[in-house]
Amino acid sequence: AQKITQTQPGMFVQEKEAVTLDCTYDTSDQSYGLFWYKQPSSGEMIFLIYQGSYDEQNATEGRYSLNFQKARKSANLVISASQLGDSAMYFCAMSFLKRGSGGYQKVTFGTGTKLQVIP
Amino acid sequence: ETGVTQTPRHLVMGMTNKKSLKCEQHLGHNAMYWYKQSAKKPLELMFVYNFKEQTENNSVPSRFSPECPNSSHLFLHLHTLQPEDSALYLCASSPNEGAGYNEQFFGPGTRLTVL
Repeated sequence: AQKITQTQPGMFVQEKEAVTLDCTYDTSDQSYGLFWYKQPSSGEMIFLIYQGSYDEQNATEGRYSLNFQKARKSANLVISASQLGDSAMYFCAMSFLKRGSGGYQKVTFGTGTKLQVIP
Repeated sequence: ETGVTQTPRHLVMGMTNKKSLKCEQHLGHNAMYWYKQSAKKPLELMFVYNFKEQTENNSVPSRFSPECPNSSHLFLHLHTLQPEDSALYLCASSPNEGAGYNEQFFGPGTRLTVL
């Protein structure tokens, strides 16, 4: 069974500082995708960044980077230069491709980390 | 209109009521998903539809009945729900299923309260 663990229920960070949100995963599959999503209080989940299990380089998207350590099965999100608008819930997710029926993804989410940015 | 929309945004219903949640995507995606988000629990995948065919039913009770008439619309029909079914129900879509890993695009959710 696949499992995502986010051990930090809540985090505080000073505005303009960097913060790391932890994510570890458990799977016996060799091929998978790792995602981070942001959920503001409005409820909508917003995609932030993606890392493929075979990607050798850490993914980066603007102020977001993913610290991927495959041997340790961790995929931590680093947010640089935090802004007040970064205050939200952050979810780590793992995706597997299932064959058949045209192929589709099955995604497992972690419990999330609530990040609060302090002015 | 763009993105993934969900209606209604809020719904209060009694245990004997029948209601439906609607999801619509204007992104040309082939796959659509229903998730349940309860407090302090991970998002739970409920159903997956790919090219209008149901490809995943994650052991969801029969009081939840999905319907996907076309690749742009997804419904979740509700009947005889329980108070523990109160949650945020999120719809998502993604493109090019089977061709690799793609991010999912989520709607704003329907906040459901069962009395």
